[in-house]
Amino acid sequence: EAGVAQSPRYKIIEKRQSVAFWCNPISGHATLYWYQQILGQGPKLLIQFQNNGVVDDSQLPKDRFSAERLKGVDSTLKIQPAKLEDSAVYLCASSPERLLVGEQFFGPGTRLTVL
Amino acid sequence: SQELEQSPQSLIVQEGKNLTINCTSSKTLYGLYWYKQKYGEGLIFLMMLQKGGEEKSHEKITAKLDEKKQQSSLHITASQPSHAGIYLCGAPDRGSTLGRLYFGRGTQLTVWP
Repeated sequence: EAGVAQSPRYKIIEKRQSVAFWCNPISGHATLYWYQQILGQGPKLLIQFQNNGVVDDSQLPKDRFSAERLKGVDSTLKIQPAKLEDSAVYLCASSPERLLVGEQFFGPGTRLTVL
Repeated sequence: SQELEQSPQSLIVQEGKNLTINCTSSKTLYGLYWYKQKYGEGLIFLMMLQKGGEEKSHEKITAKLDEKKQQSSLHITASQPSHAGIYLCGAPDRGSTLGRLYFGRGTQLTVWP
């Protein structure tokens, strides 16, 4: 079974530029999560999708971050414009259900550096 | 929201030694997840605990959830260099059906030969 795929693995941009990350979850997984992990901290949820609908985006800085999950499969996370404090690893995870009894499967992450 | 505190922040042990990592919550835990992360990589699921007093083992790693369900410990027996990495505990929000996890800041484990 293929795992969660993310691209790119690394991205370096200057502040005020735009960037987009892509995630392909495990086939059949209904729930998709985007987490932000700043160096030295644990992952923090940005947004959660159930199929193609948003169920939790309370921690998403909506003035600059946006995300979509078209057709309930792949997802993209965009930052526009980027700030220095956005430097972090962006992790995508998926799960079959709402974590009632199972685990979240994480992708390798995208490391973003904002200069 | 759920807040988790991990201790120690970092740990350096010699190969073959035993070690314990703790994860403490100020609220009752409704499930506790342990993950391992290598630098620059995603999280690898280790174990999930749900019931107070529950204990699970996988190879040389044992995790426990205390009876009051406010603390979990991860114990590694006879550590090896392959155990090196960052260990993260995560927990869902109390009563929430949304499934999001709140994570501790992680414990950095170094095992030297």
